[in-house]
Amino acid sequence: KAGVTQTPRYLIKTRGQQVTLSCSPISGHRSVSWYQQTPGQGLQFLFEYFSETQRNKGNFPGRFSGRQFSNSRSEMNVSTLELGDSALYLCASSLGVLGANTEAFFGQGTRLTVV
Amino acid sequence: TQLLEQSPQFLSIQEGENLTVYCNSSSVFSSLQWYRQEPGEGPVLLVTVVTGGEVKKLKRLTFQFGDARKDSSLHITAAQPGDTGLYLCAGAGNRDDKIIFGKGTRLHILP
Repeated sequence: KAGVTQTPRYLIKTRGQQVTLSCSPISGHRSVSWYQQTPGQGLQFLFEYFSETQRNKGNFPGRFSGRQFSNSRSEMNVSTLELGDSALYLCASSLGVLGANTEAFFGQGTRLTVV
Repeated sequence: TQLLEQSPQFLSIQEGENLTVYCNSSSVFSSLQWYRQEPGEGPVLLVTVVTGGEVKKLKRLTFQFGDARKDSSLHITAAQPGDTGLYLCAGAGNRDDKIIFGKGTRLHILP
């Protein structure tokens, strides 16, 4: 079966702009979670969506937002981009909600560079 | 705040050697997972350990969950160049369902 698909793979944006990233989960998976990965901070949890509802949110400013559609596809939006937002953004899908025994499948990520 | 500390941060060894990497926390986790991430790819789940003291083997990889469910280790026997990558541990806490990741151990196996 097809894996988790993230688009675009690479993106270059200017400070102050906004960006939308897309994630298509594995067919049948209803949970999508988003992560920011940087060399200094590692993988940090942004938020999780399940059945179009945000279940959990990490410690990121309100400039970071997301949504999930009825087909489980998810989008993440970052407004007023800052240089520090440059990172690899990963999404992961799972059958059920994130938890102790959940297997999360990651996409290849979107590499965002803010200049 | 639950934190996962991974050590060492970097490890470069010769093919055929054995190695152990560690994942430690002062917090108790419901489970710990280990992922491997290769350049340009997302992390891929290797194993989930849920019971204190549990040991799981995956070919040349041995994973152990500490008795108190606060730490875990990954031991690789006879390392091969294909083992090269970033090894991440991730914990699921008791209070919420957020998954906490360590910063990873970057492993390089020299042929």
